[in-house]
Amino acid sequence: QLQLQESGPGLVKPSETLSLRCSISGGSISSDDYHWSWIRQAPGKGLEWIGSINYSGKTYYNPSLESRLIVSGDTSRKQFSLKLLSVTAADTAVYYCARKHYGAGRPPFDAWGQGILVTVAS
Amino acid sequence: AIQMTQSPSSLSASVGDRVTITCRANQVIRVDVGWYQHKPGKAPNLLIYATSTLQGGVPSRFSGRGSGTDFTLTISSLQPEDSATYYCVQDYNYPHTFGQGTKLEIK
Repeated sequence: QLQLQESGPGLVKPSETLSLRCSISGGSISSDDYHWSWIRQAPGKGLEWIGSINYSGKTYYNPSLESRLIVSGDTSRKQFSLKLLSVTAADTAVYYCARKHYGAGRPPFDAWGQGILVTVAS
Repeated sequence: AIQMTQSPSSLSASVGDRVTITCRANQVIRVDVGWYQHKPGKAPNLLIYATSTLQGGVPSRFSGRGSGTDFTLTISSLQPEDSATYYCVQDYNYPHTFGQGTKLEIK
């Protein structure tokens, strides 16, 4: 049974870098069947796809965040990471990591971490 | 990026009612739409993918239809535990985009 777990600081200062990690158990990012993704929900707002990475390290980014975003994977440590640079209060959100099946007709985001609240404040 | 326009933004219905939520894409996206149920403090739960395929473990009162640009999620007989916010998402291409959400209240 696949399980995902986000970790990282819950408080980040404005203009600094938000760094989160998603640890995978019961699976691996080495499989070409999946893309590994980050999604967030700001307070009172809807869901926003942030970015995804595949088994070979190819990344896909939300254009609205692309200039500040780095998603990377570590197959040996069975985890993938998110770095968001130069954060502002608008980046305050619950951040989720999730698995997406790759390919037409397959489930998007069928497994999720529990989510981690990151607050941007001084 | 593809825009997903979801309606209504909120609705209130009674136990046993049939409710329908709609998402419209601003371009053709085949059948590449999923639907999620999201409750406060929990991760979103995938209900339906590829427009109409029920995810394992999801009650059969949930169903999806559509193609092209117009898609619907229907709950055939509303239950108290269906109180939640529902989102559509297009996975036709990147960037994947979600609808704005529909908050469903049980009267």
